[in-house]
Amino acid sequence: SQTIHQWPATLVQPVGSPLSLECTVEGTSNPNLYWYRQAAGRGLQLLFYSVGIGQISSEVPQNLSASRPQDRQFILSSKKLLLSDSGFYLCAWSQGRVQETQYFGPGTRLLVL
Amino acid sequence: QQPVQSPQAVILREGEDAVINCSSSKALYSVHWYRQKHGEAPVFLMILLKGGEQKGHDKISASFNEKKQQSSLYLTASQLSYSGTYFCGTVFTQGGSEKLVFGKGTKLTVNP
Repeated sequence: SQTIHQWPATLVQPVGSPLSLECTVEGTSNPNLYWYRQAAGRGLQLLFYSVGIGQISSEVPQNLSASRPQDRQFILSSKKLLLSDSGFYLCAWSQGRVQETQYFGPGTRLLVL
Repeated sequence: QQPVQSPQAVILREGEDAVINCSSSKALYSVHWYRQKHGEAPVFLMILLKGGEQKGHDKISASFNEKKQQSSLYLTASQLSYSGTYFCGTVFTQGGSEKLVFGKGTKLTVNP
């Protein structure tokens, strides 16, 4: 069966510090991978998605970036965090097209102070 | 492109029924429904791929009216475990790529 992992689970960072969140998927190959952000009490905002190694599509201009160095690894990064980067970051995967079900990881709660 | 969900919030007593609607201004090709409990990740409930399709999951079911560009989620004889925020997601094609866009969510609270 497929599983998706995210770490860390919780992170408190000062403004201006760098960020690296990692997501890995097990039990499948060549998945589509997604990064979402959810502000407190808000909906799901798609940040990046990837259909293959090295292929990243950005949905929202911002100070975040994503990379996919391996087939089942997706990394979200920032060089300098802003207060507005606080939120719940969710990684998701799907097999094949976007029409297919997306399965979410447990999420990383980020607080920027 | 974001689908519109209604109501924004609903409070029920255990055993009552609820309907959550999801509508789009653009043609719908599929509708995804998720439930998210506080502090947790969204969990997939069901996906409807065809107009007129109806599906059920325990006492939660959904319909998809392609012509009206809307979907409805029906929660029957609600249980305490149904509490959470329900999101619908719809797929749009933009610039040759498909994207799943979620609504803002409907917060459901079931009280004893």
